[in-house]
Amino acid sequence: QLMVTQSPSASASLGASVTLTCTLSSGHSSYAITWHQQQPEKGPRFLMKLDSDGSHTRGAGIPDRFSGSSSGAERYLIISSLQSEDEADYYCQTWDSFIRVFGGGTKLTVL
Amino acid sequence: QVRLQESGPGLVKPSETLSLTCTVSGGSISDSNYYWGWVRQPPGKGLAWIGTINYGGATDYNPSLKSRLTISMDTSQNQFSLSVTSVTAADTAVYYCARWGSPSYWGQGIRVNVSS
Repeated sequence: QLMVTQSPSASASLGASVTLTCTLSSGHSSYAITWHQQQPEKGPRFLMKLDSDGSHTRGAGIPDRFSGSSSGAERYLIISSLQSEDEADYYCQTWDSFIRVFGGGTKLTVL
Repeated sequence: QVRLQESGPGLVKPSETLSLTCTVSGGSISDSNYYWGWVRQPPGKGLAWIGTINYGGATDYNPSLKSRLTISMDTSQNQFSLSVTSVTAADTAVYYCARWGSPSYWGQGIRVNVSS
């Protein structure tokens, strides 16, 4: 069954870097994912598409502080030079021919 | 710039049908490069995929909701729609429409409350 798993929470200091992880279910390690950011009281915003080889395509207006990488079934979102507005929920999503699934989201706190 | 805007009633009575429309500007829903769909977010919870429609009108639905769902499209209006029958309080959520592809785009969301 296609699933993606995320840690519920993460934290990092202002100006530092943080890596968020999205893990694909067994047998789905070749799948691409997308990352989405949801700031408090706002709708989601597309950050990037991330392929299994680590190549990624950011959405319009997304700064290059946001990058992605991949290793096996793990998909990573790396945010550098953390800013206060990066405090948000981050969701990964994947899909196959018939369904799309979201991870449970990671709540990022900027200290 | 692609924009999506949800519209519909903010209050629906239990057992009735929830109907929402997503109006797309800046891009065509007939574009074969993209899929169009609906996502909801119950209060205090995460995002949940509802269903998807492609440029030809083929649909995929969340198996847990499939028996109550219809997603359709009107290419003349550049809109697609969601219908959820027999709603209960569990269907109370913010509903988002979205374009899936690279890049993806989201609507701003519409809050729907199921209550008598």
